[in-house]
Amino acid sequence: GQQVMQIPQYQHVQEGEDFTTYCNSSTTLSNIQWYKQRPGGHPVFLIQLVKSGEVKKQKRLTFQFGEAKKNSSLHITATQTTDVGTYFCAGPGNAGNMLTFGGGTRLMVKP
Amino acid sequence: DVKVTQSSRYLVKRTGEKVFLECVQDMDHENMFWYRQDPGLGLRLIYFSYDVKMKEKGDIPEGYSVSREKKERFSLILESASTNQTSMYLCASSFRRGAGARDTQYFGPGTRLTVL
Repeated sequence: GQQVMQIPQYQHVQEGEDFTTYCNSSTTLSNIQWYKQRPGGHPVFLIQLVKSGEVKKQKRLTFQFGEAKKNSSLHITATQTTDVGTYFCAGPGNAGNMLTFGGGTRLMVKP
Repeated sequence: DVKVTQSSRYLVKRTGEKVFLECVQDMDHENMFWYRQDPGLGLRLIYFSYDVKMKEKGDIPEGYSVSREKKERFSLILESASTNQTSMYLCASSFRRGAGARDTQYFGPGTRLTVL
């Protein structure tokens, strides 16, 4: 069935360093969503990408959708302690109405 | 603001007990979802519902059932709780029927269930 793989599982960075998490699918995705979960919190929607090769920015966050629509990435420039949390990508599941989430990348930022 | 609430933040139950987890959303959303979250495994879909009295199995439905008698309320039922069902349970909702994979999902705060 549909699988969405996410790497790395964990990442420690020094505050001010950049961070990237990657999401890969075994099949072509019609769209991909990204969510952030703060420690002790619940996932919160960040963005959706739909077009092949699409790049979207939210302040220091850059989201990219691959040309083949099988992979995506989230890049954070100059991390801050407020970026701490787990970042999930999610794509359509086997049934069209559902999302399949990646395993998440937990970002830890040392001040 | 969309609000999704769950009946308990923490719950401790014994093996074999019947467990009800309740979720309520206040934004008239069509779709509702139940996930469980375990370290390294991300969020795995248990069941979802796109209408009252309608339900669809997700990726890991075994050992669970659901009920949606009213549009705003989606219940997850563990008929006979087992220790391997100890987990964080997250409820979510989204607006449009038939567009679940393209719609933003709004999550509740989660229920951390421990089965002893």
